[in-house]
Amino acid sequence: AQSVSQHNHHVILSEAASLELGCNYSYGGTVNLFWYVQYPGQHLQLLLKYFSGDPLVKGIKGFEAEFIKSKFSFNLRKPSVQWSDTAEYFCAVNEYGANNLFFGTGTRLTVIP
Amino acid sequence: DVKVTQSSRYLVKRTGEKVFLECVQDMDHENMFWYRQDPGLGLRLIYFSYDVKMKEKGDIPEGYSVSREKKERFSLILESASTNQTSMYLCASCKGRQCEKLFFGSGTQLSVL
Repeated sequence: AQSVSQHNHHVILSEAASLELGCNYSYGGTVNLFWYVQYPGQHLQLLLKYFSGDPLVKGIKGFEAEFIKSKFSFNLRKPSVQWSDTAEYFCAVNEYGANNLFFGTGTRLTVIP
Repeated sequence: DVKVTQSSRYLVKRTGEKVFLECVQDMDHENMFWYRQDPGLGLRLIYFSYDVKMKEKGDIPEGYSVSREKKERFSLILESASTNQTSMYLCASCKGRQCEKLFFGSGTQLSVL
């Protein structure tokens, strides 16, 4: 089975700081990669995804992520966070052609105004 | 917009009871999933289904079973609830072989006393 690691459990930043959340996965074959976000009191929702092509993908609300195949990584970035980015962020992976998604343990982001 | 509806937001049950968690989606998605979400453990896949009457075990199926008699409905059954099954249960659905976007329900917080 896949393994997805998110090493940052809780990140606290001030507004306007830059953000990078780490995500590493264990599968050696072709994968699809995702970041999901859960804002307080809301459903989990898709932030961005990588299937193929340009390894730098852009998502909603100014987030982006870079797939580095050699490092088995898919880190999430945002140049300048806002208080409204306070949420829990989950990295997820599925094997190409498979429909079951494996999630990481999540990173809680707190942005201080 | 896709809607994934979970029948209960909060549920309190006693040890040994049989518990049914219901999930309905309204977008004709082939794939449906049950996850449990626990602090520090992220989302763990219990069971998923890619078609009516089809089911596949996820990472933690022990103590659970599922039923998919109709395409829109996916039920999670706790045959004999135990305290270690106290958790937030999330239902999700998606379309297609690669499941490009998961749509989540609002979750059922189950407490087993």
